Amino acid sequence: SQQGEEDPQALSIQEGENATMNCSYKTSINNLQWYRQNSGRGLVHLILIRSNEREKHSGRLRVTLDTSKKSSSLLITASRAADTASYFCATVPSNDYKLSFGAGTTVTVRA
Amino acid sequence: DAGVIQSPRHEVTEMGQEVTLRCKPISGHNSLFWYRQTMMRGLELLIYFNNNVPIDDSGMPEDRFSAKMPNASFSTLKIQPSEPRDSAVYFCASSRTRGETQYFGPGTRLLVL
Repeated sequence: SQQGEEDPQALSIQEGENATMNCSYKTSINNLQWYRQNSGRGLVHLILIRSNEREKHSGRLRVTLDTSKKSSSLLITASRAADTASYFCATVPSNDYKLSFGAGTTVTVRA
Repeated sequence: DAGVIQSPRHEVTEMGQEVTLRCKPISGHNSLFWYRQTMMRGLELLIYFNNNVPIDDSGMPEDRFSAKMPNASFSTLKIQPSEPRDSAVYFCASSRTRGETQYFGPGTRLLVL
């Protein structure tokens, strides 16, 4: 079963705008990870945030984690056409090592 | 490093045939994962290995599916006999340790007619 659930399911923005997507999960976690998948390709790891961390940055990406609300957000600033992809959050439960993926958010960046 | 290598990249077969998918993980990674992705069910974990030992195969759909990891640099996922509902993209991923960042291969797109 899917642990993480992304919201929204789809997002369309203009190039240069920011894109924000959210992820909610059900059980306590060891860490939460965000991945990107371009059409027809494999998943690419973006950021891993641990349960004792609240925020992480990587280039134009910013991830926040609120364990009290069991939620995370991924912000892409100054979006580019190349950011068009599906974005997945995945959680590693506290008592296991398996990664559980959500259904993903499809982001379209219009030129 | 070459990344995770999967073969074949595409496979078209007829119902009832045996299908074998192959994966070479990144050197030095101790954990290997097989996933299946479909539009209807999303990304599903089928099985994962740690130090070549199968740890959790609860995601394997049924007895028609089997996976092996004879050594640290090679794994196979076999479907016998294949059925049209097995059509999907199958991904292999590896990680340095369990629960950490996973590195995905390009996937094998399987079509069972």
